[in-house]
Amino acid sequence: QVYLQESGPGLVKPSETLSLTCTVSDGSINNYYWSWIRQPAGKGLEWIGRVYSSGSTNYNPSLQSRVTMSVDTSMNQLSLRLSSVTAADTAVYYCVRGPGGPTGEAFDIWGQGTTVTASS
Amino acid sequence: QSALTQPPSASGSPGQSVTISCTGTSSDVGAYNHVSWYQHHPGKAPKLLIYEVSKRPSGVPDRFSGSKSGNTASLTVSGLQAEDEAHYYCSSHAVNRNWVFGGGTELTVL
Repeated sequence: QVYLQESGPGLVKPSETLSLTCTVSDGSINNYYWSWIRQPAGKGLEWIGRVYSSGSTNYNPSLQSRVTMSVDTSMNQLSLRLSSVTAADTAVYYCVRGPGGPTGEAFDIWGQGTTVTASS
Repeated sequence: QSALTQPPSASGSPGQSVTISCTGTSSDVGAYNHVSWYQHHPGKAPKLLIYEVSKRPSGVPDRFSGSKSGNTASLTVSGLQAEDEAHYYCSSHAVNRNWVFGGGTELTVL
């Protein structure tokens, strides 16, 4: 079973850049898409974007101007950067495998999530 | 406001069946057979229950089933058990290589 573990600062100041890393364990990062999904407290889930093991990306149009995703296959890690954060970016951030894997356009493996608060 | 609309809550007694709806548009749910459902127990990682409208990953009990009609998808949980008490989310592939989610439904087993 593949395990995903998110890591990064839990507190980010407004206008600064949120940076998170996801480490993939007990499985390869290669030949899969990997997504970041977030959930503000009391709200639904929001897909942020995805990165393929080759480095190609697709982003949510509503966040595209502020998002950068990358992958380091040698470290089996992926990363998320979200610039110019505001309080609206406060959420639990999940690292997820998919879409486009063995379960089609679904997200089949999720990390536990990490809480990021945007506050001064 | 989530892109897909789910009822905020649902409930049923042990052994009963409950159906949760997920309403989208012709640009997401109605456009593709790419609806998936997730179960989330607070503090744990969300779990994929259903993909491609009605398929179950290995290990998911057949008490969980999915369907779709037009712009509305549904998840049915049959033979409710106490462990089914959780939040449930639907998702769909949408146009422009985007993926959208519902706001979630809190299922209570009475």
